[in-house]
Amino acid sequence: NAGVTQTPKFQVLKTGQSMTLQCAQDMNHNSMYWYRQDPGMGLRLIYYSASEGTTDKGEVPNGYNVSRLNKREFSLRLESAAPSQTSVYFCASSLHPSTAYEQYFGPGTRLTVT
Amino acid sequence: EDQVTQSPEALRLQEGESSSLNCSYTVSGLRGLFWYRQDPGKGPEFLFTLYSAGEEKEKERLKATLTKKESFLHITAPKPEDSATYLCAVQGGGSQGNLIFGKGTKLSVKP
Repeated sequence: NAGVTQTPKFQVLKTGQSMTLQCAQDMNHNSMYWYRQDPGMGLRLIYYSASEGTTDKGEVPNGYNVSRLNKREFSLRLESAAPSQTSVYFCASSLHPSTAYEQYFGPGTRLTVT
Repeated sequence: EDQVTQSPEALRLQEGESSSLNCSYTVSGLRGLFWYRQDPGKGPEFLFTLYSAGEEKEKERLKATLTKKESFLHITAPKPEDSATYLCAVQGGGSQGNLIFGKGTKLSVKP
């Protein structure tokens, strides 16, 4: 099993450009999450999908949109990138949303917006 | 508001020198407290889940404990390969599985 995979691994964008970060999991998990990690800030939740067909905002959703394409895939879209969105983005998945199941993380996408 | 504070921010140990990392939390209805390890340039790797005060879990040189206000990650006789950032996170009763993370403790173990 690959676990949680993310593409791309690295990306450089210019201000105003758009892009989609892709995430897939092969663990048959119900819930998926997008976090960003910035120096000194820790991991912060952007959006999550408790189950297929649902999505909800997390702590820092502004400037992002998400799509739960199917049970395996959860994408994060930046419509008009800003330098403040320079960060490392992690996708995670867990078996069930409302019970304390651990989350498994992907390797991350390192995004720079110039 | 759910909150997690980790201390110290950074810890330097000599190989074999045991120590503890602290995670203090404030959460409404704790469902679970999680410890992760993160190596540079990689995603967090799951270590432990603790559910209730008094619970302990061990894995190799690591032992996690939980009280009603904090959790400790004890590292016994650490080796250089234990060097990493250790993250603590909580899931509260009102959440849909989303975790609140602390900022982490960066551990360096020198040979």
